[in-house]
Amino acid sequence: AQRVTQPEKLLSVFKGAPVELKCNYSYSGSPELFWYVQYSRQRLQLLLRHISRESIKGFTADLNKGETSFHLKKPFAQEEDSAMYYCALRRSGNTPLVFGKGTRLSVIA
Amino acid sequence: GAVVSQHPSWVICKSGTSVKIECRSLDFQATTMFWYRQFPKQSLMLMATSNEGSKATYEQGVEKDKFLINHASLTLSTLTVTSAHPEDSSFYICSAPPRTSSGELFFGEGSRLTVL
Repeated sequence: AQRVTQPEKLLSVFKGAPVELKCNYSYSGSPELFWYVQYSRQRLQLLLRHISRESIKGFTADLNKGETSFHLKKPFAQEEDSAMYYCALRRSGNTPLVFGKGTRLSVIA
Repeated sequence: GAVVSQHPSWVICKSGTSVKIECRSLDFQATTMFWYRQFPKQSLMLMATSNEGSKATYEQGVEKDKFLINHASLTLSTLTVTSAHPEDSSFYICSAPPRTSSGELFFGEGSRLTVL
């Protein structure tokens, strides 16, 4: 069975501080990993996917197969980064996403 | 622009009534759509997968007779919450698979149901 674990419900950091949102997964195959962000009263938006290896809004995430992790990082947090962040896993292109419980990031001015 | 649209975005109903939520793919055909449920401050839980022209596939623990899913066309899937109760109050979100195997999953804006 697939499972995504986000151990932190809430993460508060000061503006300009580094951010790391943790995500661990369990899946026997080779999954696709994603990070989604949900700003207040808005729909889910794709932030990152491991296969593209890109940086969006200063965020990066590296898939570590040995540790089965896909932590989301940003060197300097901004107030506008405050949102709910979900880590998600997908087996293949036409299958649904399995979400973690989410981490609420609060960036304090 | 948005490629998956849900309607209504917000609905209030009385206990015992039924509510229909529509999910449309706007500029592409979707043979499959996924329906999720999100309780306040919780994650998205997959409820079912709707398949155009065939029966929906429900996740364990989801009542098929309670949450009727119909995928009548390649651009429309509907979720009907029958005989709604206050505990059905939730945020319901649909999504459509990517057009290519490596593509992005598209999400609707969600529909907030409040049952009084």
